[in-house]
Amino acid sequence: EVQLVESGGGLVQPGRSMKLSCAASGFTFSNYGMAWVRQAPTKGLEWVATISYDGSSTYYRDSVKGRFTISRDNAKSTLYLQMNSLRSEDTATYYCTIPFAYWGQGTLVTVSS
Amino acid sequence: DTVLTQSPALAVSPGERVTISCRASESVSTGMHWYQQKPGQQPKLLIYGASNLESGVPARFSGSGSGTDFTLTIDPVEADDTATYFCQQSWNDPTFGAGTKLELK
Repeated sequence: EVQLVESGGGLVQPGRSMKLSCAASGFTFSNYGMAWVRQAPTKGLEWVATISYDGSSTYYRDSVKGRFTISRDNAKSTLYLQMNSLRSEDTATYYCTIPFAYWGQGTLVTVSS
Repeated sequence: DTVLTQSPALAVSPGERVTISCRASESVSTGMHWYQQKPGQQPKLLIYGASNLESGVPARFSGSGSGTDFTLTIDPVEADDTATYFCQQSWNDPTFGAGTKLELK
């Protein structure tokens, strides 16, 4: 059974950093591209970033380019999202996904002073 | 970005047929997918490639369309189908529609 378990969310002040993790199991992680999608409270879904199966290619939405970094450790079957210079508009539940057939339960990031 | 436009809400009675529409601001060929999301849960893939039913999804759900106009049909609607339905395109950088909230009368 495919499982994606996000962690690392919480309350953070504007301008600070946070790193999210997604532990994957139940499939061969190194064979799949992965992505992060976020959802602001009571809002719709927004693609954040995608990484290729081997980590050689990454893609970002414009609003996070230069601030967020997606990465992966295939030996640990883990996906990451390093978020720097956080803004209030980054407040959302962040989902790890095998684009976009399988989704984790999400981890809430709240950016507030 | 490719903008996807959905009607905001629908209300139908159990047993009826409902169609949820999604219009893209530019052609996405058949790179359109549909998701169901219930409160407090992650999205669930229903339809991929515009018309392909995801494994394990009831045959009451179907999708159609190509280019810029797409529909998700539920026939017949059941009480458990109360949820928000999102379309998503994968022709360009992924974008999602704002969602259609389906309520049952």
